[in-house]
Amino acid sequence: SQTIHQWPATLVQPVGSPLSLECTVEGTSNPNLYWYRQAAGRGLQLLFYSVGIGQISSEVPQNLSASRPQDRQFILSSKKLLLSDSGFYLCAWRGGYEQYFGPGTRLTVT
Amino acid sequence: RKEVEQDPGPFNVPEGATVAFNCTYSNSASQSFFWYRQDCRKEPKLLMSVYSSGNEDGRFTAQLNRASQYISLLIRDSKLSDSATYLCAPRDSGAGSYQLTFGKGTKLSVIP
Repeated sequence: SQTIHQWPATLVQPVGSPLSLECTVEGTSNPNLYWYRQAAGRGLQLLFYSVGIGQISSEVPQNLSASRPQDRQFILSSKKLLLSDSGFYLCAWRGGYEQYFGPGTRLTVT
Repeated sequence: RKEVEQDPGPFNVPEGATVAFNCTYSNSASQSFFWYRQDCRKEPKLLMSVYSSGNEDGRFTAQLNRASQYISLLIRDSKLSDSATYLCAPRDSGAGSYQLTFGKGTKLSVIP
């Protein structure tokens, strides 16, 4: 069966610091992978998606970037965090038409 | 612009009640729809997929009204454990499009 992991689970970072969030999927090969952000009081916002290694599509221009160095690994990064980057970051993989989410990383930028 | 609208609630209902939420969508070409359940501070979990006019799974029924562009979720015999936020997500149209657009969710509280 497929499993999706995210780490860290929670993170508190100062403004201007870098960020690296990791997502890995087990039990499937070459999945479509997605990064979403859920800010307080807001809906799920699609940030990036990837259909394969090295292939990244950005949905929202911002100071975040994504990379997919391996088939089942998806990384979200930032060089300098903003206060507005605070939120719940969710990675998802696609099975059929459905998407399945990882446990998420709760990021607080102070 | 793709939009998905949901009544944010909260819907406060007693145990055993029947409750229904609506979700309206702007993309008339959307072909499939999903309901997710999200517990507080947790990830969304897939509750139900709808590929035709509707779907039923136990106490949960989803019905699609393409003409009016809304999809509803009906929960019968509500349990305390049904308390959560319910997210609606139509799939974007287009061959090979696998992107979902999520509503902000409807919060349900089932009261003893």
